[in-house]
Amino acid sequence: SQTIHQWPATLVQPVGSPLSLECTVEGTSNPNLYWYRQAAGRGLQLLFYSVGIGQISSEVPQNLSASRPQDRQFILSSKKLLLSDSGFYLCAWSISGRSYNEQFFGPGTRLTVL
Amino acid sequence: KQEVTQIPAALSVPEGENLVLNCSFTDSAIYNLQWFRQDPGKGLTSLLLIQSSQREQTSGRLNASLDKSSGRSTLYIAASQPGDSATYLCAVRKGSNYKLTFGKGTLLTVNP
Repeated sequence: SQTIHQWPATLVQPVGSPLSLECTVEGTSNPNLYWYRQAAGRGLQLLFYSVGIGQISSEVPQNLSASRPQDRQFILSSKKLLLSDSGFYLCAWSISGRSYNEQFFGPGTRLTVL
Repeated sequence: KQEVTQIPAALSVPEGENLVLNCSFTDSAIYNLQWFRQDPGKGLTSLLLIQSSQREQTSGRLNASLDKSSGRSTLYIAASQPGDSATYLCAVRKGSNYKLTFGKGTLLTVNP
C-alpha cells in the first residue's frame, strides 16, 4: 500500500530564516505531487504541483519554492520566511495518468513564523 | 473562477442521527468532486470521489451525491457516531488541470 510522509511535524522559525519541508511517498512510482497550505480561517490553497522529476508548476506567486529531486520526494523551501508564511502545510499525491486523479494527503507540517 | 461553498459551517447533532452536509460550486464544468475528512491538527483523509458522470458514491455509512447541473453535492452520514466528529471538506477539480478548489469545510460534532 502507499504511504506519504512529511517532516518535520511542527516547526517554529524566526522571520528571515530559511525553510525546508520534505515529503516522500512510498509504494508507488511516478506520482503527481502537490503542496498545499491551510491558513487559519481560510481554505486549502494549492501552492505547487509536479508531474515528474524537475517539473514544478506554481499556482500562486509567493515567497516559497518547490523542488522534486527524486521521483517520490517533494521539497518546499524558502530563503527568507515571512510572518505570512505561517500555516499548516500539506503534501499530497495522486496516481499519474489516471483520469480520476484522487488525491491522498500526508499528515502535514505546522509552521509558525515568529 | 471556481468558488466552493459549504453550508453549514458548523453542525452539532446527537449520536445516532442521520445528517447531510452540503457543498455547492459556481462552475458546473467540473471533472470530479472529492469529499475529505480532517481531524484537528491532522492531514486530510479521502472519503469519496465522484466523477462528473456519476450521480453518487457510497462507502459504508457515507453516501455522496452529485448534481453537476445545479452545482451541488451532498454528503449523507447515516447513524452518526462520536467518532465521526471532524471537519468535512469538499473539493472540485476542473478539466485536465490538477488543481483542486476546496470549500472551507463543515465542522461536525456528534454528541454521545
